[in-house]
Amino acid sequence: GNSVTQMEGPVTLSEEAFLTINCTYTATGYPSLFWYVQYPGEGLQLLLKATKADDKGSNKGFEATYRKETTSFHLEKGSVQVSDSAVYFCAPVNCPTGNQFYFGTGTSLTVIP
Amino acid sequence: DAGVIQSPRHEVTEMGQEVTLRCKPISGHDYLFWYRQTMMRGLELLIYFNNNVPIDDSGMPEDRFSAKMPNASFSTLKIQPSEPRDSAVYFCASSFAWGTEAFFGQGTRLTVV
Repeated sequence: GNSVTQMEGPVTLSEEAFLTINCTYTATGYPSLFWYVQYPGEGLQLLLKATKADDKGSNKGFEATYRKETTSFHLEKGSVQVSDSAVYFCAPVNCPTGNQFYFGTGTSLTVIP
Repeated sequence: DAGVIQSPRHEVTEMGQEVTLRCKPISGHDYLFWYRQTMMRGLELLIYFNNNVPIDDSGMPEDRFSAKMPNASFSTLKIQPSEPRDSAVYFCASSFAWGTEAFFGQGTRLTVV
């Protein structure tokens, strides 16, 4: 089964609103944690990552902190733009079952002007 | 490097026909993944290879699906016979090493009528 629990979507926000997409994972040991983004009609691309506890990944105004104590990697952005409309996927890697990336259904975000 | 290359980008076929999807990973990457994406089930991992060897094929839905990686620069996903419920976007991805970023291709949109 999946080793990640991600916030259900779809999420609709107004431009400049604050964004949080929750992600918790199940793992033994220390997985690497990734957020991927999929824009309409495209493949997934890496948004940010963190490889050890307390690391903060950041890119394009998005941030996520590797929280080992809560097994979480929540994605945040202080002010979203219309161009951020996409599907966001949280993925832990190096979970007990191997090097697979489990993505699930993702969280769809729509930002309206 | 041109990134992960998938072909064809779109495929429309009739039920019962054989379909072959192709993938060229990024040169030097040891891991190759095949995913299927649908609205209902999200992004599902079908199979992944390490150094051309299939490691985990537990996500392959049925015996109608098969995947091969005859060399480090080429992989195929075959569906024989195809069925309408196989209609989805199929993604190939590759990564350099255990726990590192996966790079995705643009996907193949398969429609079985």
